[in-house]
Amino acid sequence: GENVEQHPSTLSVQEGDSAVIKCTYSDSASNYFPWYKQELGKRPQLIIDIRSNVGEKKDQRIAVTLNKTAKHFSLHITETQPEDSAVYFCAASMHSNYQLIWGAGTKLIIKP
Amino acid sequence: KAGVTQTPRYLIKTRGQQVTLSCSPISGHRSVSWYQQTPGQGLQFLFEYFSETQRNKGNFPGRFSGRQFSNSRSEMNVSTLELGDSALYLCASSAGGGDTEAFFGQGTRLTVV
Repeated sequence: GENVEQHPSTLSVQEGDSAVIKCTYSDSASNYFPWYKQELGKRPQLIIDIRSNVGEKKDQRIAVTLNKTAKHFSLHITETQPEDSAVYFCAASMHSNYQLIWGAGTKLIIKP
Repeated sequence: KAGVTQTPRYLIKTRGQQVTLSCSPISGHRSVSWYQQTPGQGLQFLFEYFSETQRNKGNFPGRFSGRQFSNSRSEMNVSTLELGDSALYLCASSAGGGDTEAFFGQGTRLTVV
């Protein structure tokens, strides 16, 4: 079936450095790619999303890039801060039935 | 605008029993999805309901079932509970489905003893 692979599973970066999380999807017809952040003990929340007609989207310190040819998209966080510590999930929407296929998640640790 | 509400927040059940969880979506949202989350695990998709119809289903056994009412509220039922069913169950509502923002509830923590 369709799947989304997410790497790395754990990422540890020094505060102030950048972090990059990558996802690869299998359904070439996918057209919507959101990123969710889940802080410890809290519910997942959308932080940024991108649609297939756009190659890049930025919102302050976070950005998402999409490469449709290679079928992968990435989350970029610059100037990381302690509050960025969380689990990040990527997902891709299957065009055929609007189902969201989720990546396995990346635990981001910001070292002081 | 009220968020997604799940009840109850915590449940303790005995192996072999059944349980029903409830999810009230954001007003106007027609899609409700259910997920199972265990420690260190991701979001395991159970099923999605849209306008009272099950539109998508994950790879869970038939003991897991759900339904959606005309007011878009959804319930999830697990029969013949097993120890491995202990998890956080999250529901998410969205206006249209997978290509619109999903808003998650705070979850129901189910413990099976």
